[in-house]
Amino acid sequence: SQELEQSPQSLIVQEGKNLTINCTSSKTLYGLYWYKQKYGEGLIFLMMLQKGGEEKSHEKITAKLDEKKQQSSLHITASQPSHAGIYLCGADPLAGGTSYGKLTFGQGTILTVHP
Amino acid sequence: SQTIHQWPATLVQPVGSPLSLECTVEGTSNPNLYWYRQAAGRGLQLLFYSVGIGQISSEVPQNLSASRPQDRQFILSSKKLLLSDSGFYLCAWSFGPLTEGYTFGSGTRLTVV
Repeated sequence: SQELEQSPQSLIVQEGKNLTINCTSSKTLYGLYWYKQKYGEGLIFLMMLQKGGEEKSHEKITAKLDEKKQQSSLHITASQPSHAGIYLCGADPLAGGTSYGKLTFGQGTILTVHP
Repeated sequence: SQTIHQWPATLVQPVGSPLSLECTVEGTSNPNLYWYRQAAGRGLQLLFYSVGIGQISSEVPQNLSASRPQDRQFILSSKKLLLSDSGFYLCAWSFGPLTEGYTFGSGTRLTVV
């Protein structure tokens, strides 16, 4: 089965600083999803990456998928307290999205942003 | 637009008591439905998924069961709760290619005492 390893497990930054969260897979990623979760709440979809070398941005958050499609990074520029939460990567374990959406998730990265 | 409702938001149950968590989806037909459990606010573990009424697949053997009596209703149950069943339970749905991933419910925090 596919395993996703996220690093770091937790991150504390000062407001305004940039940061990067990594997600590494033991197998080729056919669909990589980034979600954000605030404590005690459901997950909010951020971005999905499919192609090697793909990069997407939403406001101050940029996600990239490497050419080999085994690692993704999430970069936040000029962090704000509103960015705080748990960031999770999820992956579709089968090519072409044929796994009925049975995503495998990493363990999450807890982000704290101090004002 | 599509929405997903999950209740209750929090639940404290004694060991050995039954459990029923409900999830309903609005604004879509024949969605794929999922139950996930999240321990200690970290990674998600897929418990059950369903591609249609009465079709349930279990991902891990456990003390829980799931049912889908209607197209847009997904229920997570247990006859006798264990302490280890405590956690944050999330319902989610998807439809077609996962171009936008899942849509998650707001979750139920279950504490078994």
